[in-house]
Amino acid sequence: RKEVEQDPGPFNVPEGATVAFNCTYSNSASQSFFWYRQDCRKEPKLLMSVYSSGNEDGRFTAQLNRASQYISLLIRDSKLSDSATYLCVVLSGGYNKLIFGAGTRLAVHP
Amino acid sequence: GAVVSQHPSRVICKSGTSVKIECRSLDFQATTMFWYRQFPKKSLMLMATSNEGSKATYEQGVEKDKFLINHASLTLSTLTVTSAHPEDSSFYICSAGDSSGADTQYFGPGTRLTVL
Repeated sequence: RKEVEQDPGPFNVPEGATVAFNCTYSNSASQSFFWYRQDCRKEPKLLMSVYSSGNEDGRFTAQLNRASQYISLLIRDSKLSDSATYLCVVLSGGYNKLIFGAGTRLAVHP
Repeated sequence: GAVVSQHPSRVICKSGTSVKIECRSLDFQATTMFWYRQFPKKSLMLMATSNEGSKATYEQGVEKDKFLINHASLTLSTLTVTSAHPEDSSFYICSAGDSSGADTQYFGPGTRLTVL
């Protein structure tokens, strides 16, 4: 079983739509959680950290459910520029390294 | 934010040659650097972690004699792919961390390696 699992998509949505991505992780000792964004042939860029209390940054909302080992990302009012691959990332417990999911591809169309 | 550069951004080489990739932290001292590899439509996979002045720690399944890592200073780490083969063709990305820990990593722009 992969340590971090994501639905690969693609999610094809119109501009203005709300879209949600989910992610599960297998190691209950994982310490920190993040969503990264990766554009085609580019390096990943940190979108936001994910906290147990949930956190919001503009149109983006991230949630963490430690009991279910589940992380989500909600994007409201999608823009064309949101088209990218969204990577769920977990800081592994004890090993001090980031574990990346394979990513969920989002395509926003006019 | 912190800046990490990689050089070259793209390299094409013949099978059997060695390729060196440089990773530099431009405005901070990177006590730890990480090397990742990403195949098309796959996740980034950590290859190794290097700490300045000590030997790199390789992930399981990564051949340390094939992927030589040198972290000689607090701003530079190099990855050398020795005797490259077509299956080594991939996107290699480095990241640098300061003393805050692995959760704070600044990624370089990546190097696309194509081995013919």
